[in-house]
Amino acid sequence: GDSVTQMEGPVTLSEEAFLTINCTYTATGYPSLFWYVQYPGEGLQLLLKATKADDKGSNKGFEATYRKETTSFHLEKGSVQVSDSAVYFCAARGSSASKIIFGSGTRLSIRP
Amino acid sequence: EAGVAQSPRYKIIEKRQSVAFWCNPISGHATLYWYQQILGQGPKLLIQFQNNGVVDDSQLPKDRFSAERLKGVDSTLKIQPAKLEDSAVYLCASSFTGASYEQYFGPGTRLTVT
Repeated sequence: GDSVTQMEGPVTLSEEAFLTINCTYTATGYPSLFWYVQYPGEGLQLLLKATKADDKGSNKGFEATYRKETTSFHLEKGSVQVSDSAVYFCAARGSSASKIIFGSGTRLSIRP
Repeated sequence: EAGVAQSPRYKIIEKRQSVAFWCNPISGHATLYWYQQILGQGPKLLIQFQNNGVVDDSQLPKDRFSAERLKGVDSTLKIQPAKLEDSAVYLCASSFTGASYEQYFGPGTRLTVT
């Protein structure tokens, strides 16, 4: 079945550091790919998405590119802030179904 | 716009007891989802409703879990009897349709079974 594997955390960085959180997927067809974020005490929020190969999703300075050849959707940000501290979930939805499959989440902590 | 509401936020029960969770989705959203998120794991879909009909309940443990969405708006998820392994956060989400890319999540109910 479909699955999503993402980098284990926790990840701790200093403010203004470069961030990469790796995510790979296994799915038949051409899934849509997502990054969700969960800030402390809040529900999950959609951060960005990409629906076809080579699409780049972006939001709040975060970017991820849909790479079909490597089945990856890595999350990047050039300069992180303390307010980016949260849990990040990579997710995929197969082209023929509406069920979203989530990765296990990566906790990110940013030091001032 | 009001978000997805869930209650209670926290619940502690003993094994073999029953418990119910309530969800009020965003107004106008036809699709409602219940997820189970065990500590250290991503959310797992338990059941998906389209209006008041079930679209997918393939991962719902039907011997102990039940859910309903009367009138296609609010929904309740019940566990009876609870087991220790049911300790998790139960998330409700809604979307405009089942094909919508974005699901809007509530804050969740943290259940502890002792």
